[in-house]
Amino acid sequence: GNSVTQMEGPVTLSEEAFLTINCTYTATGYPSLFWYVQYPGEGLQLLLKATKADDKGSNKGFEATYRKETTSFHLEKGSVQVSDSAVYFCALSGSIIQGAQKLVFGQGTRLTINP
Amino acid sequence: EAQVTQNPRYLITVTGKKLTVTCSQNMNHEYMSWYRQDPGLGLRQIYYSMNVEVTDKGDVPEGYKVSRKEKRNFPLILESPSPNQTSLYFCASSPGEKLFFGSGTQLSVL
Repeated sequence: GNSVTQMEGPVTLSEEAFLTINCTYTATGYPSLFWYVQYPGEGLQLLLKATKADDKGSNKGFEATYRKETTSFHLEKGSVQVSDSAVYFCALSGSIIQGAQKLVFGQGTRLTINP
Repeated sequence: EAQVTQNPRYLITVTGKKLTVTCSQNMNHEYMSWYRQDPGLGLRQIYYSMNVEVTDKGDVPEGYKVSRKEKRNFPLILESPSPNQTSLYFCASSPGEKLFFGSGTQLSVL
């Protein structure tokens, strides 16, 4: 079945550092890929997505590229801020047709940014 | 404001005492779902609903019930809670692929 593996946290960085959170997936067919972010005390919210190979999703300075050859969707940001401290979840859906029905989440990576 | 509302935010109960966590969305979404979040395990789907009166099991449905009598509401019912159901629960709704989450319910079963 479909699965998502994220790098283990927690990750602690200083402000303005470069961020990479690794995500790899196993899936059949043509999944869509997502990054969700969970700020303290809140529910998850969609950060970015990509629906086909070589697509790049971007939002709030974060980027991730759908790499079919390496089955990866790594999250990157060039200069992190304290306000980026949160838990980040990589996720995939079986297909656009299936939508949210079969969304599979990784285990989450806690990110802390120190001033 | 478009939102998914869960209640209560925090709940402490004892083993075997039936409880209901409510979930309501005001976006007219057909799809709704319940997840539990546990450390190191990410989010796991409990039940989902494609529309009114249409529900199906997710990955961890044991010990839970749901109902979907109206489009906006999707309550989660624990008939006889046990300590292994202590967790952070999220309700979500979706118009397609993107999920909109509630703020969560932290449940402790003693």
